[in-house]
Amino acid sequence: LAKTTQPISMDSYEGQEVNITCSHNNIATNDYITWYQQFPSQGPRFIIQGYKTKVTNEVASLFIPADRKSSTLSLPRVSLSDTAVYYCLVGDMLSGNQFYFGTGTSLTVIP
Amino acid sequence: DTGVSQDPRHKITKRGQNVTFRCDPISEHNRLYWYRQTLGQGPEFLTYFQNEAQLEKSRLLSDRFSAERPKGSFSTLEIQRTEQGDSAMYLCASTSVGTANNQPQHFGDGTRLSIL
Repeated sequence: LAKTTQPISMDSYEGQEVNITCSHNNIATNDYITWYQQFPSQGPRFIIQGYKTKVTNEVASLFIPADRKSSTLSLPRVSLSDTAVYYCLVGDMLSGNQFYFGTGTSLTVIP
Repeated sequence: DTGVSQDPRHKITKRGQNVTFRCDPISEHNRLYWYRQTLGQGPEFLTYFQNEAQLEKSRLLSDRFSAERPKGSFSTLEIQRTEQGDSAMYLCASTSVGTANNQPQHFGDGTRLSIL
């Protein structure tokens, strides 16, 4: 069961780029890295997923170094609506193993 | 794609009562997960189904908890003889698992259970 470690909280001003790093030292060969966003009283929302190098979509980028023992979620030009808890999740969906969410990173965007 | 739907959104009950929650996954998703989330914590895995088969259960799932997915579509989670410690948000997620893909889980907005 791949456990993850993230900073508990981060603050950022509106319009800044935010990078949230997740450590996953015991990631397995077949594991993917997935990031979720969660607002209060809602379920987690998928942001981005990757296996190695860099992945980019319309809302975020995900950077994964060659050893895959960490990953960084990058949110460009954050707005107040990006205030939420962000979780990184490591696991292999094909094997169906459990997924460990950890406590996540609470991001507060300041005007 | 109407998303994962959970019912009810809120449930308040007295200690000792039984409660049942329902989850309707995204259609054609063959895998369904249940999680529990308490305030300030990330979701904790409870159990998951591949089609109608329950393949794994967490130690968190005591014998008072039971989950079913009878036809491989919707799922129910029942808690018998509820206790104060069962108060939490219960989340359901679904995904499609094939032979060579690794699709993310899609979550519902949960059922918030409050035990009086």
